[in-house]
Amino acid sequence: GAGVSQSPSNKVTEKGKDVELRCDPISGHTALYWYRQSLGQGLEFLIYFQGNSAPDKSGLPSDRFSAERTGGSVSTLTIQRTQQEDSAVYLCASSSPWTGNYEQYFGPGTRLTVT
Amino acid sequence: KQEVTQIPAALSVPEGENLVLNCSFTDSAIYNLQWFRQDPGKGLTSLLLIQSSQREQTSGRLNASLDKSSGRSTLYIAASQPGDSATYLCAVYTGGFKTIFGAGTRLFVKA
Repeated sequence: GAGVSQSPSNKVTEKGKDVELRCDPISGHTALYWYRQSLGQGLEFLIYFQGNSAPDKSGLPSDRFSAERTGGSVSTLTIQRTQQEDSAVYLCASSSPWTGNYEQYFGPGTRLTVT
Repeated sequence: KQEVTQIPAALSVPEGENLVLNCSFTDSAIYNLQWFRQDPGKGLTSLLLIQSSQREQTSGRLNASLDKSSGRSTLYIAASQPGDSATYLCAVYTGGFKTIFGAGTRLFVKA
């Protein structure tokens, strides 16, 4: 695709339910990042994928959060047993190692509201 | 631990004014520094990326500088326009593939 796409754009869920957020990176980009942006806060790193290497999960806030990347392309961020504090915009970015400068391109985000 | 600070948190200027946004970071061991723009309810748009070996980058009315030794970067916007109103974020890319973001500067350009 022309850019990073994310779905859904908005998600409202009840506390305790599981949600899945999807990210489709730019074609050919092997690096993929997930971030969280809470209201009035900066971006918080969640997880990083690079090719077939083990992901860097050091930013995941709890074991309710997990992410996978199938076939080195599309990624899914799953939040189990959602809590109200999970309400935020979840942003995905991708980059190409071939540029040598690690420039990241962002998707439009998924706004998650937990009621 | 790398920390990124942006000053000011918010800025309101009249149209046509030149302005400077500041970004500071605590650890000079960075691979690059990237400036982004974020419009309300939208994702991030990359404006400029400065690699660690570079001192500045320019794109149109935007100029970004980097001084690694002092841990500072500035984003200069010339002849500001109402369409420049947005939140500007700086981010440093560190070892371990982590990117640390500042909290942003919210800019409002009055017509």
